[in-house]
Amino acid sequence: NAGVTQTPKFQVLKTGQSMTLQCAQDMNHEYMSWYRQDPGMGLRLIHYSVGAGITDQGEVPNGYNVSRSTTEDFPLRLLSAAPSQTSVYFCASSYHPGGGGELFFGEGSRLTVL
Amino acid sequence: RKEVEQDPGPFNVPEGATVAFNCTYSNSASQSFFWYRQDCRKEPKLLMSVYSSGNEDGRFTAQLNRASQYISLLIRDSKLSDSATYLCVVNPYSGNTPLVFGKGTRLSVIA
Repeated sequence: NAGVTQTPKFQVLKTGQSMTLQCAQDMNHEYMSWYRQDPGMGLRLIHYSVGAGITDQGEVPNGYNVSRSTTEDFPLRLLSAAPSQTSVYFCASSYHPGGGGELFFGEGSRLTVL
Repeated sequence: RKEVEQDPGPFNVPEGATVAFNCTYSNSASQSFFWYRQDCRKEPKLLMSVYSSGNEDGRFTAQLNRASQYISLLIRDSKLSDSATYLCVVNPYSGNTPLVFGKGTRLSVIA
């Protein structure tokens, strides 16, 4: 049972570099989302999608882009990495965004920006 | 006022103790409520949903108080394996809006 798969698990970037965090789910979930988690800040929503072709901004979208071309995949792009984007990133999916079903998380991607 | 607020802890309790966490939410129209558990350096996982009438799952009891806008989680007979961060999660609106997470309450159960 793959569930939600995130890659890479660890990444070190230099300031100004770009990269893409990959997220894939095999549960046919319509809803997918990206969170970042920082000490003392809890989980903060970056972007989310309620279906293929539909994306929306969360609480902290600046510096990040997303797209949803398929139901399965929801990549998160860092356009020009900054040290403030050092964080743990979680992708999550569910049948419904608002709590109609369990939200399943990937194992997380630990990003360090130097 | 933040949408979902929790006491960050840490709560340090001995094995066998009963411990309770509260969480307050700001939007009285909130529809759905949950407790998630997050182990150190792991992803959050659903612990239990919180129903209006209250619900129990083994040693865990969740309560909802709509009038005072808070939910609670009670853990009886604490085990070492209960050590984790407990996240209060609320759907503040209906429809296709994302869940809002509290910052979490850290529990350490000590032998």
